[in-house]
Amino acid sequence: DAMVIQNPRYQVTQFGKPVTLSCSQTLNHNVMYWYQQKSSQAPKLLFHYYDKDFNNEADTPDNFQSRRPNTSFCFLDIRSPGLGDAAMYLCATSRLMGEQYFGPGTRLTVT
Amino acid sequence: QQQVKQSPQSLIVQKGGISIINCAYENTAFDYFPWYQQFPGKGPALLIAIRPDVSEKKEGRFTISFNKSAKQFSLHIMDSQPGDSATYFCAARNRGFNKFYFGSGTKLNVKP
Repeated sequence: DAMVIQNPRYQVTQFGKPVTLSCSQTLNHNVMYWYQQKSSQAPKLLFHYYDKDFNNEADTPDNFQSRRPNTSFCFLDIRSPGLGDAAMYLCATSRLMGEQYFGPGTRLTVT
Repeated sequence: QQQVKQSPQSLIVQKGGISIINCAYENTAFDYFPWYQQFPGKGPALLIAIRPDVSEKKEGRFTISFNKSAKQFSLHIMDSQPGDSATYFCAARNRGFNKFYFGSGTKLNVKP
């Protein structure tokens, strides 16, 4: 089935140790999003791509970076994770002006 | 500034009852209004969505009512079931920016 896949589902990293989360999609959607979701809160948009065009939210910390090497894949890099970065990270995709579909998320724990 | 306001924060409904969740917005550039259902530890799943040229959309037990003049929309879950217990988020898309703005979420608990 076409879908949004996130790996790993659970990630434990140490304080300050870089970590990369990955997202892939078989929907051939041209827009991909990364959200951060903390407990009992709404997803918070970090950035999104329209094809290769990168759009960063103004309040996304510099500690967060993203790469989209091709249509199918997108990566979230956290350069120096802090305890406050522990959260669920959600990848989503959509066609331009289309419906948005989420992946299952990666639960990040920072020790 | 929250662009989409959602209420209530939590809701308890008896099995078989009607669950109603409300959202309001101000930005007239919003052109698409989805509702998402999220279970603990899972990603949000698209439940139902509406565009502003339609006042109501129904899919099974789920109905969106949309009031363009009041800039309000709501989700009605008919014959609520314990399996509907989840967190529900409304959202709105800004047509100019491919961005979705989420409400703060409603935690629904359907009692057996």
